[in-house]
Amino acid sequence: GEDVEQSLFLSVREGDSSVINCTYTDSSSTYLYWYKQEPGAGLQLLTYIFSNMDMKQDQRLTVLLNKKDKHLSLRIADTQTGDSAIYFCAESMGGTYKYIFGTGTRLKVLA
Amino acid sequence: DSGVTQTPKHLITATGQRVTLRCSPRSGDLSVYWYQQSLDQGLQFLIQYYNGEERAKGNILERFSAQQFPDLHSELNLSSLELGDSALYFCASSVGGSVTDTQYFGPGTRLTVL
Repeated sequence: GEDVEQSLFLSVREGDSSVINCTYTDSSSTYLYWYKQEPGAGLQLLTYIFSNMDMKQDQRLTVLLNKKDKHLSLRIADTQTGDSAIYFCAESMGGTYKYIFGTGTRLKVLA
Repeated sequence: DSGVTQTPKHLITATGQRVTLRCSPRSGDLSVYWYQQSLDQGLQFLIQYYNGEERAKGNILERFSAQQFPDLHSELNLSSLELGDSALYFCASSVGGSVTDTQYFGPGTRLTVL
């Protein structure tokens, strides 16, 4: 089935690390993505990882992929108040252009 | 500002009606994507066009249709509207049609069906 799941909420203190988790179901997914949505705005692509990779780092962002467990995570180091937003993971189905999005995790950063 | 424009910003209509949402991609982008975001269904990919041709279809209802014109702008047509069609509709564009191309999202059109 096509289902991408995320926890709904995460609250962290400014300066701490945030870890947002996602589980997906399609083992043939070629690319997995993380998007950020700020209030009243569209989605912004943060990063993506190819399914044959285990990890990708991009400045404060680290993506970990566990293909065996179909688990994807996004770690934000030194979380700032500007990181408060909803974060969506997404997969492209079997390398096609059909995208499946997770339910979104609302990250709240406390000053 | 992503460079993607969508009109109108808000739309209120009644059940059974038909509406057209418009999207202008970033200059130079050939691909346009449509998404629906609602509380019930979350964020769903509807359809993608690349240089005027349909490239991928997601969970788009038969009552909905889209097209991309020669000037690359796109329209999403929603007909026989139901209460459950109330949602935020996003358009995104990318340079090419690759799954790794960054999609730039517009601000969305909020549709309310009464």
